[in-house]
Parts: sequence; structure tokens; C-alpha cells
Amino acid sequence: QKEVEQNSGPLSVPEGAIASLNCTYSDRGSQSFFWYRQYSGKSPELIMFIYSNGDKEDGRFTAQLNKASQYVSLLIRDSQPSDSATYLCAVPYYGGSQGNLIFGKGTKLSVKP
Amino acid sequence: GAGVSQSPRYKVAKRGQDVALRCDPISGHVSLFWYQQALGQGPEFLTYFQNEAQLDKSGLPSDRFFAERPEGSVSTLKIQRTQQEDSAVYLCASSLEGGASGVSSSYNEQFFGPGTRLTVL
Repeated sequence: QKEVEQNSGPLSVPEGAIASLNCTYSDRGSQSFFWYRQYSGKSPELIMFIYSNGDKEDGRFTAQLNKASQYVSLLIRDSQPSDSATYLCAVPYYGGSQGNLIFGKGTKLSVKP
Repeated sequence: GAGVSQSPRYKVAKRGQDVALRCDPISGHVSLFWYQQALGQGPEFLTYFQNEAQLDKSGLPSDRFFAERPEGSVSTLKIQRTQQEDSAVYLCASSLEGGASGVSSSYNEQFFGPGTRLTVL
């Protein structure tokens, strides 16, 4: 059974700082990884997808993947109060299904003005 | 265009009652997923449909849970004889085709609905 681990937080950073969110996964065969953002009471929305080792940047967001260490992270530069949300790491599972997602518990981020 | 919609948004049931939760996926999306999200947890997979075929129901926690998608569009998740431990947010997600893919640079994004918050008293 695949497992995805995240620190539940809360992680508190001041406005303008870099927020670093971490995720580890158990299945060495996992190929790709997703970061979802979930505002309180709302549905998850995809913000980053990464499948190659190294960094992937999209605006203020950078995903970092290290398959040897089974570690994926999300960096948010110039954090804004509007970034305050729970960030969910997910990997696809291809057992009997066609790629349902296995989610971590999520890390709650709070950006203080 | 319209996203994934779910109804009702909130449902309060007495223990032992049956409930039915509805999901309207994005038009043309082949794949439909149901997830259960308990408070403070990430979503957990329940079941998957490709068109009208239920290809995976391994995540359904008990035989009290039943899902269908008879015409390959709208889906209903039914919970019989609800228990307090069934209290959670039930999320529906749809994707254009297949699942999350990820074996190459392509991926099939899953779009989530707003969820139904079920409270069993």
C-alpha cells in the first residue's frame, strides 16, 4: 500500500517569506507527484505536477523532486496571506484503478501579514 | 464552463438512515472518482468509474456503500444505515480520460467538486 507522509503543521510564515512544504512517499516506483491546494471548506485544486528529478517552477511556486530520497517539496516564494491553505501532496495509484490519487494528510500553511 | 457539481452540499442524517449523494461531472469527462475526506485528513479514494463501468471499488469501506453511474455521466454514492464514522466530506472528481497518468510528462488532471459534508448524528 502506497503511503504519502506530510507534516500536518500548522506552518506559520511571515508575509514575503519562503514557505517550504515537504512530502515523502513509500513506493520507490512512483513516477509522478501532484501538489493540491485546499482552502478551508473548499475543494482541492491542482497547483503543481512534477515527474522529473530536479526543480519545476511556475510563478511563485517551485516543486522539487528527489526520487532517490523519495522526497518531494513545494516552495512558495514571497508568501502572501492568500496562500494560507492546506497543501496536499498526492501520488497516483495504478493498482486496480486508472490512477486514483493517494493523498497525504496535508500541511496547513498560515501566512501572517 | 461549468465545473464539477455536487448535491446536496450539506446533509445531516440520523444514525441508521440511508443517504444519496449526487455528482455531476464536467461534460465529456470519461473518468469519475469518489473520495472521502475526514476532518484534518487528506482525501481517501473510494471508487472509480470509466464511463458507466465501475472499474475499482476497492476503497469502499463497507458493503453499506454503493455507487453507480448508469449513463456514464451523473453518479450517485449511496450510504445505507449510516453510522457516525461515516461523517466526512465526500468529494467527487472527474477527468477527461483515464486517471492521473503520470507515466510520462502528460497527466490527466482531476477536477474536484465542492463536496458534500455529511454529518451523522
